[in-house]
Amino acid sequence: QVHLQESGPGLVKPSQTLSLTCTVSSGSIDNSNYYWNWIRQRPGKGLEWIGFIESSGNTNYNTSLMSRVTISVEKSENQFSLKLTSVTVADTAVYYCARDTIASGVGSFDCWGQGTLVTVSS
Amino acid sequence: DIVMTQSPDSLAVSLGERATINCKSSQSVLYSSNKKNYLTWYQQKPGQPPKLLIYWASTRESGVPDRFSGSGSGTDFTLTISSLQAEDVAVYYCQQYYDTPYTFGQGTKLEIK
Repeated sequence: QVHLQESGPGLVKPSQTLSLTCTVSSGSIDNSNYYWNWIRQRPGKGLEWIGFIESSGNTNYNTSLMSRVTISVEKSENQFSLKLTSVTVADTAVYYCARDTIASGVGSFDCWGQGTLVTVSS
Repeated sequence: DIVMTQSPDSLAVSLGERATINCKSSQSVLYSSNKKNYLTWYQQKPGQPPKLLIYWASTRESGVPDRFSGSGSGTDFTLTISSLQAEDVAVYYCQQYYDTPYTFGQGTKLEIK
């Protein structure tokens, strides 16, 4: 059973860069059957898809965040990462990494990390 | 972007009774080439990540109890819990994956009456 775990700073200052890593265990990230996603949930709000990366390195980002987002993969570490630049308090959220599976349709998330709260505050 | 709208925002149902949650998309999420609806349902309990319940609008994820069912096509979808159990108290979200950016409904909070 694959397991995803987010890690990174829980507090980021406004205008700085938010950086998170998702470690994939009990399964290889280098598998073309899966896409690797970041999703966030702002306090008391719903879910917002940030973007995904394929094992090939191809990415797709939410247009609302595209100018500030970079998702990368480190196959040797079985990890993928999120960088969000120029953060504001509006970027305060629980950030989830999640896997989607081609078998059930790219974009349906069958495995999620527990999530990590990132607070943007000075 | 495809806008997903759920109704109601909250719902209280007695144990053993049926719960029905609706989801409407601003455009069709039915892919004509394979006749599949790119619509999922998730369950989220407090302090936990969402859990995939249903994909392709009506296919239950492995391990999901058969009291959960999904129906609908095109722009109108329904999640039904046939006999509500205490452990079903949660927020339920629909999500389209017909096109990026993938978008979610605002959530429906399900409680016990």
